[in-house]
This record gives sequence, structure tokens and C-alpha cells, in this order.
Amino acid sequence: QVQLVESGGGVVQPGGSLRLSCATSGFTISGYGMHWVRQAPGKGLEWVASIRSDGSNKYYADSVKGRFTISRDISKNTLYLQMNSLRAEDTAVYYCEGRSDAFDIWGQGTMVTVSS
Amino acid sequence: DVVMTQSPLSLPVTLGQPASISCRSSQSLVHSDGNTYLHWFQQRPGQSPRRLIYKVSNRDSGVPDRFSGSGSGTDFTLKISRVEAEDVGVYYCMQGTHRPPWTFGQGTKVEIK
Repeated sequence: QVQLVESGGGVVQPGGSLRLSCATSGFTISGYGMHWVRQAPGKGLEWVASIRSDGSNKYYADSVKGRFTISRDISKNTLYLQMNSLRAEDTAVYYCEGRSDAFDIWGQGTMVTVSS
Repeated sequence: DVVMTQSPLSLPVTLGQPASISCRSSQSLVHSDGNTYLHWFQQRPGQSPRRLIYKVSNRDSGVPDRFSGSGSGTDFTLKISRVEAEDVGVYYCMQGTHRPPWTFGQGTKVEIK
């Protein structure tokens, strides 16, 4: 069964850091573009970061560039999002997504709350 | 960045009746490789998003055939031929032609009258 499971969310103070993980099963992350997408409470979907299937390129939304880092561990089949210098506006559910032309799968999401 | 504009933002529908959602992009979504990377996602209440349609008109595996996508250039449509109760949720279009960034529409909330 193909599954993505995010973890690592929680409550953090402004300026703090968190590392999100996306563990996969039945699915090889090196075969797909992997993405982080977030959704602030009551709002729509916002793309955050992506890594190409071959790992050659990483892309970031302007709102997180220089603060967030996407990475992956092929041996663990896990995707990561290191989030530094967190701000109140980063509060959201963070989803990981694996996507190709004919395949798309999302995790259940992990909540990140940035608050003092 | 490409701006995606959906309409309507709220769509009350009667069970068994058709529904249609429009998505317009601020520039053509035809890629230099000839493909058009316009996709549709469904998010049911309390659930993660799920892709329904990729590259304008291709249904993802397991998606009922009452869902269809069409369009070209800057103008795209998602149609539900006969709305069922399980179709309630928010629908998003997303472009991947002019990436980064990948950009989503604001979302259209489908509810039963």
C-alpha cells in the first residue's frame, strides 16, 4: 500500500525551527518529484518547496526562500523540510506530495503553529 | 508568477445535477514541450487534497468518470456530470507549466443545496 506519513509538526515560537519528515512506503521517492504544500487555517493551498525526481534541483516559494530547506534521504525513502526563522504566517498544515504524470499521492498533513 | 483565477468560489448544486468550475490563468499554460500542465485537485472536508485530473483532461486512477476536464491556453473547466454527495468539498486548479512557483487557484467550494 502506497502511503506518505508526515511528522515533526508542533508549536514553536517565532524565530524557532522545526524539521518535518515525510516517510513513505510502497513508493520510491527517487522516482517522483516531491513537494511540500501548506494550507493555513481556513485558507487555500500554497506551494512551498519541491525537489526533482533526480534530486538535481530544488525550488522554493519566495515566502520561504532562505529560511526553509527541502531534502531527501533515498536510503530511508524519506523527504524532509527544515524550517528556520519561523514566522506567525508560516502557521499551517504542511502536506508532502509525490507527483508524476500519471501518479499523485498526498500525506495526511502535519500542523505547524508558530506562536509566542 | 502565473495567477490562477477560479469561478465561482462557491457552488451550491442539486444532487444528480451537473456542475462546472472555471479556471483562468494569467498567461498561456502551453509548455515549450507541447504539454499543458494544468491539474485539478479535490479536497473533501477534513481530508488531504487528491488529484482528480492531470494535464487538462486525464483522469487519475480511481477517479469516477463523471469528472472531466477540458480547455486550452488560458481557459479551463472541470465538470461533474451528475453531482453525488461524496463530491462535496473544495476544488483547486493548479498550474505547473511556468514553475517555479507552482500556483493554485483560490478554490471553489461545492456544496449540496
